Amino acid sequence: DAGVIQSPRHEVTEMGQEVTLRCKPISGHDYLFWYRQTMMRGLELLIYFNNNVPIDDSGMPEDRFSAKMPNASFSTLKIQPSEPRDSAVYFCASSLSLRIMRDTGELFFGEGSRLTVL
Amino acid sequence: AQTVTQSQPEMSVQEAETVTLSCTYDTSESNYYLFWYKQPPSRQMILVIRQEAYKQQNATENRFSVNFQKAAKSFSLKISDSQLGDTAMYFCAFMSYQGAQKLVFGQGTRLTINP
Repeated sequence: DAGVIQSPRHEVTEMGQEVTLRCKPISGHDYLFWYRQTMMRGLELLIYFNNNVPIDDSGMPEDRFSAKMPNASFSTLKIQPSEPRDSAVYFCASSLSLRIMRDTGELFFGEGSRLTVL
Repeated sequence: AQTVTQSQPEMSVQEAETVTLSCTYDTSESNYYLFWYKQPPSRQMILVIRQEAYKQQNATENRFSVNFQKAAKSFSLKISDSQLGDTAMYFCAFMSYQGAQKLVFGQGTRLTINP
């Protein structure tokens, strides 16, 4: 398996523009997580899905952020309109199950999408 | 809500030395899981070690070991005989046994191993 695939790897955009980040989880994984990493706040969980259904979106910073998972192999995180404070590395991760995550710590991360909003 | 705190933003040691990274957490639960992850410059997250709260014995994985102090809610990582390849960002993480089933990470500690 190719692992969790994220695109784009880097995105530079101007304030006010719409940004869409994409993620393809590992095939067969039931859980998908979106994290944001900044120097100030570290790694924050934004939202996670189970079987394509959003379970916990309490980490989504505000209405400008939205995430969807239309099918088991694809998820998007959209920011509209983007602001400079959204600049961060956004990680997607997937896991087979929560039990396995607890028992093994296995949570497969993508390589991240580095977003810069000017 | 659970919180995880890593109070050392950066650390630097010489190769072959031993280094300890600190982590504290806050929870009202009695059973939970704790993890240390490594994030090298490639940005991929790699599990280093895992500890179950109901186990008193500290986990060890080769050169990596933890000091788990449940009453103090402390979970430090010790790296013995440090190697250049250990240079990375290290994250401490918490997961509930019940309730909110998600990994909560600390802010991270950037560790540099110098030759």
